[in-house]
Amino acid sequence: DTEVTQTPKHLVMGMTNKKSLKCEQHMGHRAMYWYKQKAKKPPELMFVYSYEKLSINESVPSRFSPECPNSSLLNLHLHALQPEDSALYLCASSQELAGGQYNEQFFGPGTRLTVL
Amino acid sequence: AQSVTQLGSHVSVSEGALVLLRCNYSSSVPPYLFWYVQYPNQGLQLLLKYTTGATLVKGINGFEAEFKKSETSFHLTKPSAHMSDAAEYFCAVSVYGGATNKLIFGTGTLLAVQP
Repeated sequence: DTEVTQTPKHLVMGMTNKKSLKCEQHMGHRAMYWYKQKAKKPPELMFVYSYEKLSINESVPSRFSPECPNSSLLNLHLHALQPEDSALYLCASSQELAGGQYNEQFFGPGTRLTVL
Repeated sequence: AQSVTQLGSHVSVSEGALVLLRCNYSSSVPPYLFWYVQYPNQGLQLLLKYTTGATLVKGINGFEAEFKKSETSFHLTKPSAHMSDAAEYFCAVSVYGGATNKLIFGTGTLLAVQP
């Protein structure tokens, strides 16, 4: 299984709502990533988890809260978002090779988020 | 700091023509380089990667890229474009973020294929 799955595919939420995005992989990868992608732009890294521990937070606002309950699952909890947070949210995973730069990431199809 | 630059945000070719998408990198250490493709409303799919070894890398869907250290380039080519190749293409370099690896993406090139 070389697939990263993401749910839901689409999400519309108000600025006062609380919602969560879910990502799952069964490739045995120990690094998982959240990206935000605006239209016609490259993905921007938000968070990286390595062995279920948060290793990189790219100065993301606290209204985005990541969680890695186990090595196969990655969640992104959303609260009090702004309209400018509307974007495609991509999850990815990779095999973690300690000390090396090799980093082939497998991406999920994304969740299209609209904040009203 | 490592980075990649993609020349040409839009490239248009005729079906059957050569595809050439340009990527130049900046790296103080031997880079690991990647090309990803993104079809509309989808995630990114790895086309090919260069880590070490052979400098001509073959990928999926007939694409290939050549790592040229002297030119700091990693251009993507395909001999004959197909309508299904129309998509956004991203070049990326892997950097070690202190605790783990992360990808730095170029700004992307939108490929249009004309019939």
